[in-house]
Amino acid sequence: NAGVTQTPKFQVLKTGQSMTLQCAQDMNHEYMSWYRQDPGMGLRLIHYSVGAGITDQGEVPNGYNVSRSTTEDFPLRLLSAAPSQTSVYFCASSYSSLREDGDTQYFGPGTRLTVL
Amino acid sequence: QQQVKQSPQSLIVQKGGISIINCAYENTAFDYFPWYQQFPGKGPALLIAIRPDVSEKKEGRFTISFNKSAKQFSLHIMDSQPGDSATYFCAVETYEKLTFGTGTRLTIIP
Repeated sequence: NAGVTQTPKFQVLKTGQSMTLQCAQDMNHEYMSWYRQDPGMGLRLIHYSVGAGITDQGEVPNGYNVSRSTTEDFPLRLLSAAPSQTSVYFCASSYSSLREDGDTQYFGPGTRLTVL
Repeated sequence: QQQVKQSPQSLIVQKGGISIINCAYENTAFDYFPWYQQFPGKGPALLIAIRPDVSEKKEGRFTISFNKSAKQFSLHIMDSQPGDSATYFCAVETYEKLTFGTGTRLTIIP
């Protein structure tokens, strides 16, 4: 049971380039989400999904796209990278969005992205 | 618009002391109040969580105190240990969205 995995661990992009951050979980979780973490700002929700084929926007969705074709995978796409997207990105998953007792949201190890 | 305000930004506590971190929220629709612990280079991990129908929840050395009327909740770490040195985030959740505080860097000194 690998939990939540993210690739790559580090990435450097030039302004205007596109890329996909990968996220996968092997816990059969329905709810998955993406956050970005910036110094002094905590974690901010980018996009989330309550199940395969269903996605919705979080607090800071501009410049990012997501899709959820399978329960296991939830990739995050940067369409045209900008320096303002330099951040650490975390993927998370849980059984549901209802946050029942015992339903923990598990975070991946993160991807550190630098946009030059 | 900051939905949850966390304080202090940083905290230094002596080993064996009590660490207290506070959060205040605005929206009364929130229905889940977790605290996360994050070590450098790692993702956050759920530490303890509470729902608004109880005023306190204790798990080992960690306690959440919840004041619904004041719209505040706090994390208390009893008998703080060097291994507790980490960044702590409070969060609030409703309608499938989790909103985090800005974090508190806790350092436990010998």
